[in-house]
Amino acid sequence: AQKITQTQPGMFVQEKEAVTLDCTYDTSDQSYGLFWYKQPSSGEMIFLIYQGSYDEQNATEGRYSLNFQKARKSANLVISASQLGDSAMYFCAMSSARQLTFGSGTQLTVLP
Amino acid sequence: DAGVTQSPTHLIKTRGQHVTLRCSPISGHKSVSWYQQVLGQGPQFIFQYYEKEERGRGNFPDRFSARQFPNYSSELNVNALLLGDSALYLCASRLMFGTANEKLFFGSGTQLSVL
Repeated sequence: AQKITQTQPGMFVQEKEAVTLDCTYDTSDQSYGLFWYKQPSSGEMIFLIYQGSYDEQNATEGRYSLNFQKARKSANLVISASQLGDSAMYFCAMSSARQLTFGSGTQLTVLP
Repeated sequence: DAGVTQSPTHLIKTRGQHVTLRCSPISGHKSVSWYQQVLGQGPQFIFQYYEKEERGRGNFPDRFSARQFPNYSSELNVNALLLGDSALYLCASRLMFGTANEKLFFGSGTQLSVL
């Protein structure tokens, strides 16, 4: 069974600063994917970034980067230069062929 | 191009009633999944369909059922509604089935309230 743990229920960051959202995972699969999604109050899950278990380099997508440490089973999301529009719920998720398993989420608030 | 579309956006039902939620995937996507998100929690997997066949089922009772049509759209049905079924129901689509590295694209969800 796959499990995702997000230990930060809420985080605050000052506008224009960087913030790291923590995610650890547990799986017995050799091949898996790790995703981060953003969920604003509107409810839609917005894809941010993906890291494959065999990828040697950390994934980056614009202001988002994923700090992948396979031995520690962690996949932290780093948001650089935070913007007010980044305020939302952030979910870490792990994929198998059939489904995504989500963590409980981190509510990020960007302060002006 | 249209993203994943879900209808209705909001729904209010009473206990014991039946509900049908609808989803249209991104054009060209053949796989549709359903997730339930209770307030304050992450989404939980309900079903995955690919080429009109059920390919995966989460830990949900038989009151929950789904199907996929030839045009790859999908319906989620819930019978004998309980108060605990109140949640945001998310539909997601992906191109294929069977790979762990393919991202899911989500719709905006249907907010179901059971009174």
